[in-house]
Amino acid sequence: DAGVTQSPTHLIKTRGQQVTLRCSPISGHKSVSWYQQVLGQGPQFIFQYYEKEERGRGNFPDRFSARQFPNYSSELNVNALLLGDSALYLCASSRPEDEKLFFGSGTQLSVL
Amino acid sequence: QKEVEQNSGPLSVPEGAIASLNCTYSDRGSQSFFWYRQYSGKSPELIMSIYSNGDKEDGRFTAQLNKASQYVSLLIRDSQPSDSATYLCAVNLDSNYQLIWGAGTKLIIKP
Repeated sequence: DAGVTQSPTHLIKTRGQQVTLRCSPISGHKSVSWYQQVLGQGPQFIFQYYEKEERGRGNFPDRFSARQFPNYSSELNVNALLLGDSALYLCASSRPEDEKLFFGSGTQLSVL
Repeated sequence: QKEVEQNSGPLSVPEGAIASLNCTYSDRGSQSFFWYRQYSGKSPELIMSIYSNGDKEDGRFTAQLNKASQYVSLLIRDSQPSDSATYLCAVNLDSNYQLIWGAGTKLIIKP
C-alpha cells in the first residue's frame, strides 16, 4: 500500500502570497494531521481532521486553515505568508482508534 | 504550558555499543509516549510506542517509561552507523491526538 503522499515537495513563495499544500492519507486511514517543523525543532501541531471535521487546532494564527475531503485527503492553506512561515510542513495519517502517526515526506516551504 | 524536554546532543556512541536517549515531560496526565527517528532532510518515522510503566522491547530497541518520574527513554543495543539520526520523543495528553514533541536528540554512531 502507498504511504502518505504530500505535494509539492518544495515550494518557494514571497511574503504576502498564499500557498496550498496537499496530502493523501494511507488507504483506510480517516484522520489527517498537519504539523510544522522548523529546522532544529520538533514538529508543532497545526490541525487534525477526522471525517471532514476539525478535531483539533494548535496555536497558529487564523492565516492557517485546512479542510478534509470525502476521500480523506486534505489541504492546508496559509495566507499572507511571513518569513517565519518557512518550514517543513508535515502531514500524517492515522487510524481513528490509534494515536500512531504515519508521516508523508513533507513539503519544504521557503518564504522570501 | 505542556513541555517535552530532550538533550539536543549530539550524542556520540561507538558502533556496537548501547545508545541511551532520554526524555522528560511536564504533564502528569500524559497517557501515550512515542519515539520517532528522523534522518536529515526526511520526515519522522515511528520506532516505538509505550503506554504503561516498565520496559517494552522490539528488536534492538527498548523503550522505558516511568510515569512517577515523568521520564521515558529509548535504548538502542548493538548500535549501527545507520542508527545515526535525530530521535524525537512525542507525548499525547489524554486522547486528543495532539502530540507534544521534544526538539530531538541527534545521535551519531561512530564506526
